[in-house]
Amino acid sequence: QGQVVQSGAEVAKPGASVKVPCKASGYTFTGYYIHWVRQAPGEGLEWMGWLNPNSGDTHYAQKFQGRVSMTRDTSISAAYMELSRLQSDDTAMYYCARDIHIVAAAVTTGAFDIWGQGTRVTVSS
Amino acid sequence: SSELTQDPAVSVALGQTVTITCQGASLRRFYANWYQQKPGQAPLLVIYDKNNRPSGIPDRFSGSTSGYTASLTITGAQAEDEADYYCNSRDSSNDHRVVFGGGTKLTVL
Repeated sequence: QGQVVQSGAEVAKPGASVKVPCKASGYTFTGYYIHWVRQAPGEGLEWMGWLNPNSGDTHYAQKFQGRVSMTRDTSISAAYMELSRLQSDDTAMYYCARDIHIVAAAVTTGAFDIWGQGTRVTVSS
Repeated sequence: SSELTQDPAVSVALGQTVTITCQGASLRRFYANWYQQKPGQAPLLVIYDKNNRPSGIPDRFSGSTSGYTASLTITGAQAEDEADYYCNSRDSSNDHRVVFGGGTKLTVL
């Protein structure tokens, strides 16, 4: 079935960057898109972008363009989301999630079947 | 980006049927997916590509779409169905992107 595992928490200062890891196991890492979704305290889900672990291609939500970078290390089946120029409103739970469709389908429908437990990022001076 | 609109809160009596809706222009072109999220947990996919259930999801959950509105129906709601529910779909303004609805808090009375 597979799983994706995330680290527990990160703390960063305003203006700094944070890099959140997501380690996949139990399935072919390069076969499925990885998406990043965040959730501010008490708020809804917000899609940030996707990574094609096979090609390294990415696509980001307009809101995060220029400030987010999604990368991968296929040798260890890990994906990373780096967010720069952090502000207090970036304080949120950050989830990685696997797309239910294979990358060969060349499109996501937004269906994410495996989620990490989330990484809590706190931006505070 | 496109928007998906959900009612903030819905309630249902135990054992009754409830429908949660999601409205948006993207739903004319693209499938809706539905997620259940309980406090302190990651979201769980309950319906994908309009009306498919991942393995392990009870068949009391079903999905449909009509025009600009997607619906999640729970037939015979159980106490454990009390949760937040989110819809999402591809973004009609850029179909490489994904957009989420604001979420509906379901209370089972």
